[in-house]
Amino acid sequence: DQQVKQNSPSLSVQEGRISILNCDYTNSMFDYFLWYKKYPAEGPTFLISISSIKDKNEDGRFTVFLNKSAKHLSLHIVPSQPGDSAVYFCAASGTNFGNEKLTFGTGTRLTIIP
Amino acid sequence: DVKVTQSSRYLVKRTGEKVFLECVQDMDHENMFWYRQDPGLGLRLIYFSYDVKMKEKGDIPEGYSVSREKKERFSLILESASTNQTSMYLCASSTSGAGTGELFFGEGSRLTVL
Repeated sequence: DQQVKQNSPSLSVQEGRISILNCDYTNSMFDYFLWYKKYPAEGPTFLISISSIKDKNEDGRFTVFLNKSAKHLSLHIVPSQPGDSAVYFCAASGTNFGNEKLTFGTGTRLTIIP
Repeated sequence: DVKVTQSSRYLVKRTGEKVFLECVQDMDHENMFWYRQDPGLGLRLIYFSYDVKMKEKGDIPEGYSVSREKKERFSLILESASTNQTSMYLCASSTSGAGTGELFFGEGSRLTVL
């Protein structure tokens, strides 16, 4: 049972345009959400997070939006740069089963076209 | 600079062999995790540990065991490797009580079982 879903396995975006990556979740007990970025042959690295008490969090070119009623979050990257080409995983955690345990989505491979 | 180190980047083993994957972190983190990454399935949690000598099953523990004798070291053991355990294995650590679930990952160990 996939509790965190990323329905787009891949996405291609022109350099300079906006990249939008989507993530849906089913477990209403999740209350903290994170995005990780992964380059080939490297471990994932933390990108940005959002608590369920917020609906938006921004960090430079990266913004995460959370719609709790729809159980949906999205990551916006603007402007997109070639170095953003990577696999992006969304992840969720819940206080009821340990803040530290994350459930990951299946990932979206983002390709930025120069 | 914080670091999670996995002992082997690439391993090739035969069916039935016993396999040890070692992970060491230098951040004095309480929590340590083993995930595996497979195409189309994302990152799936195998086992995790909140403290020395403690372990808890993740979502896919079958065929695996773990050992945590020291705070900084978390080992994943495949008692009798099988071809369906060919995968990328990722170790991660985090600190307790941060409430964020942010994980720090190693670079991964790619295991091929023939």
